[in-house]
Amino acid sequence: AQRVTQPEKLLSVFKGAPVELKCNYSYSGSPELFWYVQYSRQRLQLLLRHISRESIKGFTADLNKGETSFHLKKPFAQEEDSAMYYCALPSLQGTSYGKLTFGQGTILTVHP
Amino acid sequence: DVKVTQSSRYLVKRTGEKVFLECVQDMDHENMFWYRQDPGLGLRLIYFSYDVKMKEKGDIPEGYSVSREKKERFSLILESASTNQTSMYLCATRDSPGGGYGAKNIQYFGAGTRLSVL
Repeated sequence: AQRVTQPEKLLSVFKGAPVELKCNYSYSGSPELFWYVQYSRQRLQLLLRHISRESIKGFTADLNKGETSFHLKKPFAQEEDSAMYYCALPSLQGTSYGKLTFGQGTILTVHP
Repeated sequence: DVKVTQSSRYLVKRTGEKVFLECVQDMDHENMFWYRQDPGLGLRLIYFSYDVKMKEKGDIPEGYSVSREKKERFSLILESASTNQTSMYLCATRDSPGGGYGAKNIQYFGAGTRLSVL
């Protein structure tokens, strides 16, 4: 069964500090991975996906198949980055195709 | 721009009541999903639907049922609400399944319904 683990429920950093939100996965096959973000009083939305290899709002994430990780990084955190972050893994097989498995979520707080 | 609308932002119900949560999308997406969001547990899939009148159980379907009579509407039903069903409920949509990777694996979420069962 596929699984996504985010080991940190809470993460606090100061503005301007680097931040890394951890995500590990288990999946039999070649995975596709996403990071979703939920700002206060807003809906859950896609932040980035690994196949795009893009930087969104200064965040990047690299898929490391050897370590089965997809950590989200930003070199200089901003207060507006404070939010709940979820790592997610879609099923690409069988009758569950497209179904997303989410991690437990990490609440990031960036202090001024 | 994908629009996923959940009919209620907040609901308060009593134990034993039958509860309907409604979700409507305007993007002609075939797939729709219902999740519940609980602190420390992330999002857990309750039910999903690949198309009209089709439904599949997710990871935690007990105590819930769903209805998809029209493509744009997906309803979550709590047959007899209980206090352990107090939660945030999120509806999501996704375009029809395609092969391999791509934009069709992205899910779009509604604003959520916070349900309290007293």
